[in-house]
Amino acid sequence: EAGVTQFPSHSVIEKGQTVTLRCDPISGHDNLYWYRRVMGKEIKFLLHFVKESKQDESGMPNNRFLAERTGGTYSTLKVQPAELEDSGVYFCASSQQGVGTKNIQYFGAGTRLSVL
Amino acid sequence: AQSVTQLGSHVSVSEGALVLLRCNYSSSVPPYLFWYVQYPNQGLQLLLKYTTGATLVKGINGFEAEFKKSETSFHLTKPSAHMSDAAEYFCAVSSSYSGYSTLTFGKGTMLLVSP
Repeated sequence: EAGVTQFPSHSVIEKGQTVTLRCDPISGHDNLYWYRRVMGKEIKFLLHFVKESKQDESGMPNNRFLAERTGGTYSTLKVQPAELEDSGVYFCASSQQGVGTKNIQYFGAGTRLSVL
Repeated sequence: AQSVTQLGSHVSVSEGALVLLRCNYSSSVPPYLFWYVQYPNQGLQLLLKYTTGATLVKGINGFEAEFKKSETSFHLTKPSAHMSDAAEYFCAVSSSYSGYSTLTFGKGTMLLVSP
């Protein structure tokens, strides 16, 4: 079974440009999460989808960030326009619905975004 | 609200020595606790988890952790370090009350293993 897949693995863009990150969750996982780690800081929650609906987007830093999950499958996270402080590693995770062990989140390898 | 504190951003041990990575948490509801590991140039991998039941949990690669409610701790240990254990380790907490729950992470501890 394929794990959580993210691409690109690395993106280098200039300030003001647009970047779109993609995440393919594990098949059958209704929950999809985005997290971000800025250099030197902890990994922080950005938002959570249940199927195609945004359940919690309290961690989104500002309106330059737009996340979508079309048809409840893969998700994209667009940053437009990118700023220097957006640099970091963006992780995607997915989990099954339910409590207990179903609540375990499986992470992708991350996308390292560098804004110059 | 939940929070996680990992003591020590870097921990250095010699190969064969005991590994102890400290994690303390704060949670207003019964927590689920996790340790994740990130090897160089790889993603986050689940090392072990505590949800319910036995408070001493065993994970992959010989690691284990003990949930101590009275101390609000979930320290990670391994009796004998191996060079391949060099990685960054993250402690995380989530709520046990929901069918889905965001993770709150600590800042991570980089484990350095010397020959």
